[in-house]
Amino acid sequence: AQTVTQSQPEMSVQEAETVTLSCTYDTSESDYYLFWYKQPPSRQMILVIRQEAYKQQNATENRFSVNFQKAAKSFSLKISDSQLGDAAMYFCAYRSGGGSEKLVFGKGTKLTVNP
Amino acid sequence: ETGVTQTPRHLVMGMTNKKSLKCEQHLGHNAMYWYKQSAKKPLELMFVYNFKEQTENNSVPSRFSPECPNSSHLFLHLHTLQPEDSALYLCASSQEKGTPLEAFFGQGTRLTVV
Repeated sequence: AQTVTQSQPEMSVQEAETVTLSCTYDTSESDYYLFWYKQPPSRQMILVIRQEAYKQQNATENRFSVNFQKAAKSFSLKISDSQLGDAAMYFCAYRSGGGSEKLVFGKGTKLTVNP
Repeated sequence: ETGVTQTPRHLVMGMTNKKSLKCEQHLGHNAMYWYKQSAKKPLELMFVYNFKEQTENNSVPSRFSPECPNSSHLFLHLHTLQPEDSALYLCASSQEKGTPLEAFFGQGTRLTVV
């Protein structure tokens, strides 16, 4: 079974600085998808960024980018120019590409942004 | 707003009550999910439906009973719950296959069992 590990329960960053959140996963599959979700205090889980395992290029979405290391099974999220609105819980998630609908989540990292 | 709507947002119920949570999506997705989110625990997948058929039941106690009458609606019927069932219950939907495969979540129902 696939597992997702986020080793940082909490992180903090100064406004306008850069922070990296870690995620590792365990799988024997070669075809899969990885996601970072953000859950602000409003509770709604919002997709931040996605990465297809078959793509070598790291995904980027504005200030958000990932460092995808397939061999190391690592999928970290970098937030540049952090803003107060980035404060939230961040969850890393895995989905098999083999047709399974199951989405496996890590425990999450609570990000605090200090003004 | 992600296109997935959950009602009610908050629910307080006694252990002998029967209540239902509702989830609705109009994104054209075929897969729908129930997740349980408790404090200091990873999100726990409870049920998955694909084209109205249940494809995953993650050893959920029978006091939780899902129902998926069509691909747009998902219910979670609750009866004789325990205080430890208090949690945030999240509904999500996604494409069954193809891209994109990410799940879209509702805002959740905060359930308190007293």
